[in-house]
Amino acid sequence: AQKITQTQPGMFVQEKEAVTLDCTYDTSDPSYGLFWYKQPSSGEMIFLIYQGSYDQQNATEGRYSLNFQKARKSANLVISASQLGDSAMYFCAMSSDYTGRRALTFGSGTRLQVQP
Amino acid sequence: DTEVTQTPKHLVMGMTNKKSLKCEQHMGHRAMYWYKQKAKKPPELMFVYSYEKLSINESVPSRFSPECPNSSLLNLHLHALQPEDSALYLCASSQDWAGASGETQYFGPGTRLLVL
Repeated sequence: AQKITQTQPGMFVQEKEAVTLDCTYDTSDPSYGLFWYKQPSSGEMIFLIYQGSYDQQNATEGRYSLNFQKARKSANLVISASQLGDSAMYFCAMSSDYTGRRALTFGSGTRLQVQP
Repeated sequence: DTEVTQTPKHLVMGMTNKKSLKCEQHMGHRAMYWYKQKAKKPPELMFVYSYEKLSINESVPSRFSPECPNSSLLNLHLHALQPEDSALYLCASSQDWAGASGETQYFGPGTRLLVL
């Protein structure tokens, strides 16, 4: 079975500062993918960044980077230079080819509030 | 273009009504998904269609009936719903049904359903 844990229900950050959102996962599959999604109050889930379990380098997409530590089973999202528009719920998710469940398993989410 | 559209945006229905939710994508994706999201919770998978065939049904009650008329369109037919079925219903699509290889799921804006 797969499990995603996000231990920070809520986070505050000042505008223009960096923030790290924590995510740990548990799986027995050797091949898996890790994703981060942003969900504003409007409801849409916006894809931010992807990391494959065999990727050697940490993924980056603009202001988003994923701090992937495979041995510790963690996949933390780092947002640099926070903006007011970053205020939203953030979900860590994973999927695997081997469990027969090729859909996403989500963590409980972290609500980020960016303060001016 | 990574757009998934969903209609309607909002829906209020009585327990004896029959209604349908519609999801459409024109990205050539061959996998489509329905998720249910209760307030302050992560999305939960309901159904997966791969190449227009139902591949996963997560033990969803029969009052929810999915349909995939073609590769671009996914419907969710609703009948005799209960108030506890009130939620945000999210549709997603991906190029193929393969999680660990980085097949990103792109989500629509969702339909907010209220059952009275």
